[in-house]
Amino acid sequence: DTGVSQDPRHKITKRGQNVTFRCDPISEHNRLYWYRQTLGQGPEFLTYFQNEAQLEKSRLLSDRFSAERPKGSFSTLEIQRTEQGDSAMYLCASSAGGSGEKLFFGSGTQLSVL
Amino acid sequence: QKEVEQDPGPLSVPEGAIVSLNCTYSNSAFQYFMWYRQYSRKGPELLMYTYSSGNKEDGRFTAQVDKSSKYISLFIRDSQPSDSATYLCAMSAPRGFNKFYFGSGTKLNVKP
Repeated sequence: DTGVSQDPRHKITKRGQNVTFRCDPISEHNRLYWYRQTLGQGPEFLTYFQNEAQLEKSRLLSDRFSAERPKGSFSTLEIQRTEQGDSAMYLCASSAGGSGEKLFFGSGTQLSVL
Repeated sequence: QKEVEQDPGPLSVPEGAIVSLNCTYSNSAFQYFMWYRQYSRKGPELLMYTYSSGNKEDGRFTAQVDKSSKYISLFIRDSQPSDSATYLCAMSAPRGFNKFYFGSGTKLNVKP
């Protein structure tokens, strides 16, 4: 499978716990995006990497959220001290960049905070 | 005002019907327009991609862009129950950081 891979598919946690999600992009893609999606809404931008550099971060993203992309390959998204409002689908997408880039999404990680 | 507006539906049609899905937008800088299909509890799948104005056809799917009206459409001919999903429109501008703006999605149900 050469698509975008996300792990885990589902995560149930208690409020206050830390969680970490992993994304493996399409191998030749240098851009990687994280989005959050809640029921009945479109994906909401969280952050973006060009290779290993994190170039943009949404103002909506609290300090409890951090993302990394070491060596410009896979990426991790960590949420510290989870809150019930963090419950959502976390989507990773990758692209080859350039003008008119196309985003390809993974299947997402569904987070439920109890 | 949201950058991209999309009717959430749900839209229910009989099998074989022609489906029309639409989005409007406010930013005249958008040049790239996409339609994604999203099945329940899955990630969005890129369905159609269009640059600037005009039509693009791929099998039963046709995407139309009218930049003068800031209006895009997706037509599905001979709709099938397997087309039942949420359809998201997305768009981006060509310069700088390529942030993608998504509609909220239209839920489509094709009844056998």
